[in-house]
Amino acid sequence: AQKITQTQPGMFVQEKEAVTLDCTYDTSDPSYGLFWYKQPSSGEMIFLIYQGSYDQQNATEGRYSLNFQKARKSANLVISASQLGDSAMYFCAITLDKVIFGPGTSLSVIP
Amino acid sequence: DTEVTQTPKHLVMGMTNKKSLKCEQHMGHRAMYWYKQKAKKPPELMFVYSYEKLSINESVPSRFSPECPNSSLLNLHLHALQPEDSALYLCATQNRPGLAVDTQYFGPGTRLTVL
Repeated sequence: AQKITQTQPGMFVQEKEAVTLDCTYDTSDPSYGLFWYKQPSSGEMIFLIYQGSYDQQNATEGRYSLNFQKARKSANLVISASQLGDSAMYFCAITLDKVIFGPGTSLSVIP
Repeated sequence: DTEVTQTPKHLVMGMTNKKSLKCEQHMGHRAMYWYKQKAKKPPELMFVYSYEKLSINESVPSRFSPECPNSSLLNLHLHALQPEDSALYLCATQNRPGLAVDTQYFGPGTRLTVL
């Protein structure tokens, strides 16, 4: 069975610092997609970044980058230069025939 | 345009009421989803529509009834709900159903409270 683990229930980071949110997954399927979503207190799930299982290079989108280590089955999200507006829940997700979400990490950015 | 809209934003209903949640998209996506999310938990899949046909029902109680009238609209009809059904209900769309590489785009959600 597929599974997503996010071992950090809550994290704090100083404004302007970088932060890494951990995500590990378990699947025997060779073809899958990995996604990160941000969910502010307003509730909307905002797509941040995508990594395909066959992609050779790590994905980047502005201040977001994904540290993809396929052999270790990890897909950590790196946020550079944290901003106060980055305070939110962050969900890692794997897609096969449907999306499976991890439990989430609550990130708080401190001024 | 990656916008998915949901109405209403908030809904309070009694256990004997009948209400509906609405989701709309104009991206031409062919898969639409309903998720239920409790506070501080990840979204849980409820229903999937592929090409306007129900393809997945994750053993959801019959008091939740989905409907896809056309490729742009997805409804969730609610009847005789329980207080434990109070949650954030999220709609999502995906361009190509069941394709792992395609992103799911979410609407802002409807916060439902059942009294």
